Amino acid sequence: NFMLTQPHSVSESPGKTVTISCTRSSGSIASNFVQWYQQRPGSSPTLVIYEDDQRPSGVPGRFYGSIDRSSNSASLTISGLRPEDEAVYYCQAYDGTIWVFGGGTEVTV
Amino acid sequence: QITLKESGPTLVKPAQTLTLTCTFSGFSLSTSGVGVGWIRQPPGKTLEWVALIYWDDDVRYSPSLKNRLTVTKDTSKNRVVLTMTNMDPEDTATYYCADYYASGVDAFDFWGPGTMVTVSS
Repeated sequence: NFMLTQPHSVSESPGKTVTISCTRSSGSIASNFVQWYQQRPGSSPTLVIYEDDQRPSGVPGRFYGSIDRSSNSASLTISGLRPEDEAVYYCQAYDGTIWVFGGGTEVTV
Repeated sequence: QITLKESGPTLVKPAQTLTLTCTFSGFSLSTSGVGVGWIRQPPGKTLEWVALIYWDDDVRYSPSLKNRLTVTKDTSKNRVVLTMTNMDPEDTATYYCADYYASGVDAFDFWGPGTMVTVSS
C-alpha cells in the first residue's frame, strides 16, 4: 500500500492563487485516479475534484486538479481565493484494494 | 438528490460492539457499480477509510480493522449497517457514510453529516 503526503497548511490572501500538493509514496501517481475533498469547519467533506482533474457540477472553475508524473504528485490549485475557500483539503486515491486519504492541508485565506 | 444520514449511539464502552446505520435516498444500492462506504475521522485528525459495500454484496474492509468489522445492506430499505466489535478509546471518531459511484463518478461524491462516537467507560 502507499501513502499520500500533503503539506500541513498553506496561507494566502484573498484573490490570490494557492496550490496544494499530494505526493504518492510508492507506485505511480498516474496508476490510480486522485480525488480532492473540501472540509469546511464543522462540516462533512465534499468532493471538489475527481479523476485527477474533473470538477463535479457546481464546483467553480477556480478549482483545478492536475498530476505530475515527474514528482509523482497530484495538485489542487485554487485561484481567486475567497474567504469561503478556507477549509481543509484532502487528496484520496484507490489502489484497487483500499481507499487512501492524505493527511489534509489547511488552507487559510 | 442524493442524501445520506448516519445514526447510532454516541457513547459506547470499551470492549462493546458499535452498530451504525446509514440511511440514504436518491440512488439504489442495486444499481451496478454503486457502493456505500464508511469513513471515520478522529477529532482533529485526517480521514480514514473503514469499509465499503457494493451493489453485488462485495464488501471491502480496511486491513487494520478487518477482523472487527461487518457491513451489510438492506436494499429494499435503502440502509447499510456497520458493526464494529471490541471498541477501544482509539475508535473515538466521527463516522461518515458516503455513496460511491452513485452519480457515475469513481469517488465518494456525497457524504452524510456524520455521527460522533465516543468510546469511554
